[in-house]
Amino acid sequence: GAGVSQSPSNKVTEKGKDVELRCDPISGHTALYWYRQRLGQGLEFLIYFQGNSAPDKSGLPSDRFSAERTGESVSTLTIQRTQQEDSAVYLCASSLVEGDSPLHFGNGTRLTVT
Amino acid sequence: RKEVEQDPGPFNVPEGATVAFNCTYSNSASQSFFWYRQDCRKEPKLLMSVYSSGNEDGRFTAQLNRASQYISLLIRDSKLSDSATYLCVVNAQTGANNLFFGTGTRLTVIP
Repeated sequence: GAGVSQSPSNKVTEKGKDVELRCDPISGHTALYWYRQRLGQGLEFLIYFQGNSAPDKSGLPSDRFSAERTGESVSTLTIQRTQQEDSAVYLCASSLVEGDSPLHFGNGTRLTVT
Repeated sequence: RKEVEQDPGPFNVPEGATVAFNCTYSNSASQSFFWYRQDCRKEPKLLMSVYSSGNEDGRFTAQLNRASQYISLLIRDSKLSDSATYLCVVNAQTGANNLFFGTGTRLTVIP
């Protein structure tokens, strides 16, 4: 079956522009996560969605970052007024919630802010 | 203290060697554990889940020690293709955002 799909795979944008990143989770996965990974660094948690519950936004670094998810489907991560320090790979992952369910990652979106 | 800690390495080992990584976690209520592999400029991919009884998948063996709060990954007969960063992931509470990632241990297998 299809895995987690992210688009675009690469995005180059000018400082100050807004960008929108998309994630299609695996069908039936109720949990969805966004992470950021800077070059040579570990994964940085951004936001977590679980079904119709209120999302955990505790990892969003500033109010320029926001994310939405409708039900258990597609999620979009929006970065407004991009800055150079936003340059990173943005990874989306989904999982079942029950039991010992591991995360399945998408290929990521590589964002470069010039 | 970090929720999950790993030795960042790097571990440089010759082909055919056996290498082991440990990952310690601080929350004794943690319920599920995983090892992921991440290649350079790629997304993390699940290597194996870690079960209480320990589990093996070919050359890879994962173990959980609840008393000492660590998980381990053993790689036997290392191959060049095993070169990657290995991440441990601990889920402290199923169903909630309590996933913690280690910073990863970098392994390079040398010809």
